[in-house]
Amino acid sequence: DAKTTQPNSMESNEEEPVHLPCNHSTISGTDYIHWYRQLPSQGPEYVIHGLTSNVNNRMASLAIAEDRKSSTLILHRATLRDAAVYYCILRAQYGNKLVFGAGTILRVKS
Amino acid sequence: DAGITQSPRHKVTETGTPVTLRCHQTENHRYMYWYRQDPGHGLRLIHYSYGVKDTDKGEVSDGYSVSRSKTEDFLLTLESATSSQTSVYFCAISESQTGLNSPLHFGNGTRLTVT
Repeated sequence: DAKTTQPNSMESNEEEPVHLPCNHSTISGTDYIHWYRQLPSQGPEYVIHGLTSNVNNRMASLAIAEDRKSSTLILHRATLRDAAVYYCILRAQYGNKLVFGAGTILRVKS
Repeated sequence: DAGITQSPRHKVTETGTPVTLRCHQTENHRYMYWYRQDPGHGLRLIHYSYGVKDTDKGEVSDGYSVSRSKTEDFLLTLESATSSQTSVYFCAISESQTGLNSPLHFGNGTRLTVT
């Protein structure tokens, strides 16, 4: 499985945008980029996913580099409830497995 | 929230005893997964199911077995629990195996302690 690399932790101020980076230099052409987050004492929660084009939903935006070797999850206005561990994951088109890395711990300051 | 219920939520058991964890879904999704989460290892896939009576191993399947006799239920069994199986166990469901449009939805976990 292709691997992803994320910073261990990041800090943001409340109400400001947050850009969470992810490197995936060994991504294959059919791998989808998924983002999940895990709040304390809860299971992971799906955030967004994409293949080549940038994606937006009610939770976040996903910006994918043209060569697909990196991507950025964008939270437009961080709130205290966004404090969580964010996982960037590659999922094969016909893959049954989701391989989680260590993720990025996001801290949000009020 | 996706309709996923894990039971029990917490369990303490002794080494050598059998333990069964249950995952119940109300979404009629075809795919179901069991993950464990440990400090320093993140989430690791134990077993998954792609239909009734159809299961396959994940990356850490030793010491675990699963069964799926109905679409809605996926059972994880530790035949003889060991202290190394102390962990938080998460069940997940997915409508489709493809990455195109099939996020995983997770339950809230079962915290298992083996003494």
